[in-house]
Parts: sequence; C-alpha cells; structure tokens
Amino acid sequence: AQSVTQLGSHVSVSEGALVLLRCNYSSSVPPYLFWYVQYPNQGLQLLLKYTSAATLVKGINGFEAEFKKSETSFHLTKPSAHMSDAAEYFCAVSDRRNYGQNFVFGPGTRLSVLP
Amino acid sequence: KAGVTQTPRYLIKTRGQQVTLSCSPISGHRSVSWYQQTPGQGLQFLFEYFSETQRNKGNFPGRFSGRQFSNSRSEMNVSTLELGDSALYLCASSLAMDGVHEQYFGPGTRLTVT
Repeated sequence: AQSVTQLGSHVSVSEGALVLLRCNYSSSVPPYLFWYVQYPNQGLQLLLKYTSAATLVKGINGFEAEFKKSETSFHLTKPSAHMSDAAEYFCAVSDRRNYGQNFVFGPGTRLSVLP
Repeated sequence: KAGVTQTPRYLIKTRGQQVTLSCSPISGHRSVSWYQQTPGQGLQFLFEYFSETQRNKGNFPGRFSGRQFSNSRSEMNVSTLELGDSALYLCASSLAMDGVHEQYFGPGTRLTVT
C-alpha cells in the first residue's frame, strides 16, 4: 500500500528565506507524485507533479521539487518565501498502474511566513 | 475552461438527517473523486467514479454513497448524519488518461452537523 509522510506539521520561515517542505513516500513501483497547496476555506490547487520525466520539476509560484528515488523523497522548495505563500501544503502519491487507484495524501504541512 | 464547481458551499444539518452534495467536473474530465477533510483525519478518500461506475471506494460506512451521471456530474449522499460527519467535502476531477493523473479540486462543501 502506498503512504506519504510529511516531516513537520508546521514550518515557519522568514519572508525572503528558503522554503523546504519535506515529503517521503512509500510505493512498490515508481509512482506519480504531486504537491498541492490549500489556502483557508478553499480547495486544493496543484503546484506541480512528477510523472517520470525530469526529476527536477518546476511548478507555479516559483516552487520546485526534486524526485529522488534512492531516498524515496519529493521535497518541495522555493528560494525566497513570500507572505502569500502562507498556506497548507499537501504531498500526494498516485499509483500509475491503475487510474482507479486514488491519491494518497500526506497529513499536510502548514507554512507560516514571518515578516 | 471552467474549474470544478461544488454546490452548496455551506450546509448545516442536524443529526439523523441526510444530505446530498453536488459536483460538476471540468469539461472533458471523466473521473470524479470525493474526499473528506477534517482537522483530525486529514484528507480521506471516499470514492471515485468513472463513466458512471464506481471504480474505487475508501473505507467509509455505507451511509456514504455516490453516483455519476452521463454528463460526468456527480453527487454524494450521506444518510443518517452524525456529528462526526462535519467536515469539508472535496470533489476532484481528472482526465484519467494514460500519463495524466493529476486531480483538480473544487472549493469544497463545508458540512456542519448539529
């Protein structure tokens, strides 16, 4: 069975500092991996996805993530945090073998950006 | 292209009642999934529909059911509501084609059971 862990339920960074949100997955086959962001009282917005092309994936709003198979990780980074980045971030894994196998989400990491 | 829409956005019900939530996927998307989001349990998968058939189901009691219509619109029903059913219910649609797995989420329906 697939699973996703996100280290740190709450991360605080200063405005302009590096953002690093951690995601590790467990899957018997190389999965598809995703990062989503959720702002208060809203649904989830897709930030970026990994589907076995380039291991370094660029997404929206300056975010990127690197797939490291040896570490079973897919950490999300942004060089310089902005106040508008404050939100909850979810990592998700999907089994590419079966479209009906649905996403498994991590528990989420709440990002706070301090002025 | 319009995004995923969910109606209603907010709902207040009392214990024992039933509720129906609606989801309209992005045009052309054939797969619709439903999730329950709560502070304690996070995002939990309810079920997925594809071409009017339930293709996958999460670990929820039979009080939770759904269906999909020929135009891919989907409804979710919860019968005999319990206080613990209070949550944000999210609908997501996907093309569900080879190599395309990403899901696009609606804004959710906030259900409060009193």
